[in-house]
Amino acid sequence: DVKVTQSSRYLVKRTGEKVFLECVQDMDHENMFWYRQDPGLGLRLIYFSYDVKMKEKGDIPEGYSVSREKKERFSLILESASTNQTSMYLCASSSNSGTSTDTQYFGPGTRLTVL
Amino acid sequence: AQSVTQLGSHVSVSEGALVLLRCNYSSSVPPYLFWYVQYPNQGLQLLLKYTSAATLVKGINGFEAEFKKSETSFHLTKPSAHMSDAAEYFCAVSYTGNQFYFGTGTSLTVIP
Repeated sequence: DVKVTQSSRYLVKRTGEKVFLECVQDMDHENMFWYRQDPGLGLRLIYFSYDVKMKEKGDIPEGYSVSREKKERFSLILESASTNQTSMYLCASSSNSGTSTDTQYFGPGTRLTVL
Repeated sequence: AQSVTQLGSHVSVSEGALVLLRCNYSSSVPPYLFWYVQYPNQGLQLLLKYTSAATLVKGINGFEAEFKKSETSFHLTKPSAHMSDAAEYFCAVSYTGNQFYFGTGTSLTVIP
């Protein structure tokens, strides 16, 4: 089974802090994704990466950056956390077999609260 | 822009009744379609996916969905709801394999 793990299930930070959210997958997937999930808005893509050291902006990249130094690990960074970044953050990964049928596999999520 | 619409942000059914969750996509090109389920405080789990092999797709936990090109729909159904089906359900589409577009979700409540 594919396993996607996230470093924390719950996190509380203060405004202005630098926050790191870590995601690790064990299936040698090329693609990795960071989403945030808010009530009534569904999932919104923040960034994705299709290879080591490669990244692409999603729909809402402002206030976030990412790092992918190793294939299995994809980090989301909040440079200076703000209260409007309080949300559930979901990491996902998928293979890149060349078809459009590749499934995204999700981690359990990190619920971040910024005070 | 490609998008997916889920009609009804909240659906309530009685235990044993039919479950119907609606999903429509907006594209002239049929996408690949997915249904995910999210239980409280968990990530998303794949229920089923349409990959053009068959229009009626069977998934886990007794769910199935039918792709109807003429209606640009991919509604999720289950003949008999169980209490354990209470969760949030997301429809998603993919065209390139690199990006998915998710609906806003439907919260299913099952009444005993």
